[in-house]
Amino acid sequence: GAGVSQSPSNKVTEKGKDVELRCDPISGHTALYWYRQRLGQGLEFLIYFQGNSAPDKSGLPSDRFSAERTGESVSTLTIQRTQQEDSAVYLCASSSAEGAAKNIQYFGAGTRLSVL
Amino acid sequence: GQNIDQPTEMTATEGAIVQINCTYQTSGFNGLFWYQQHAGEAPTFLSYNVLDGLEEKGRFSSFLSRSKGYSYLLLKELQMKDSASYLCAVRGLGNRDDKIIFGKGTRLHILP
Repeated sequence: GAGVSQSPSNKVTEKGKDVELRCDPISGHTALYWYRQRLGQGLEFLIYFQGNSAPDKSGLPSDRFSAERTGESVSTLTIQRTQQEDSAVYLCASSSAEGAAKNIQYFGAGTRLSVL
Repeated sequence: GQNIDQPTEMTATEGAIVQINCTYQTSGFNGLFWYQQHAGEAPTFLSYNVLDGLEEKGRFSSFLSRSKGYSYLLLKELQMKDSASYLCAVRGLGNRDDKIIFGKGTRLHILP
């Protein structure tokens, strides 16, 4: 696609349920990031995929959070047993690995997660 | 690890100039970014600095001093549409630390 696509755009769930968020990066982009943004706050790094290297999971806040990426395409972020503190906008970004373009992250519109 | 600091909020007047500062401490450094984020929208790329000095792009300029761990974003001829959050981000260095980390952002309010 022309840009980074995230789905769903909004998700309302009950505390304790599992949720799965999807990110479809720009075709050919080898780098993919997930960030969390709470209301009025900055972007909190969660996880980083770069090509076929092992992902950098150092930002995942707990073992309830996991993410996968199939090759250099779609990524899913899964949150198990959701808590109210997980309510936030989850942003995905992708970037190219080559040339000057590797220094630009393109963001999706985000998934707004509300845990009741 | 990486630590990035920037002011939480700033206010400026339409037509004026504003400078948003960012300081960082990183174990390795491989570039600094500025992004703009309007309320309810995704961040969009503004600038990238990896060498010391000033990068100018229209009304926006970004400066970097690696020895001081310091950058600023300069916005000239402010317009009401410049009301947004401005995010400073830093890329680490190395195979295991080249991820991009963001500061908490500076909310800029433009007054008529």
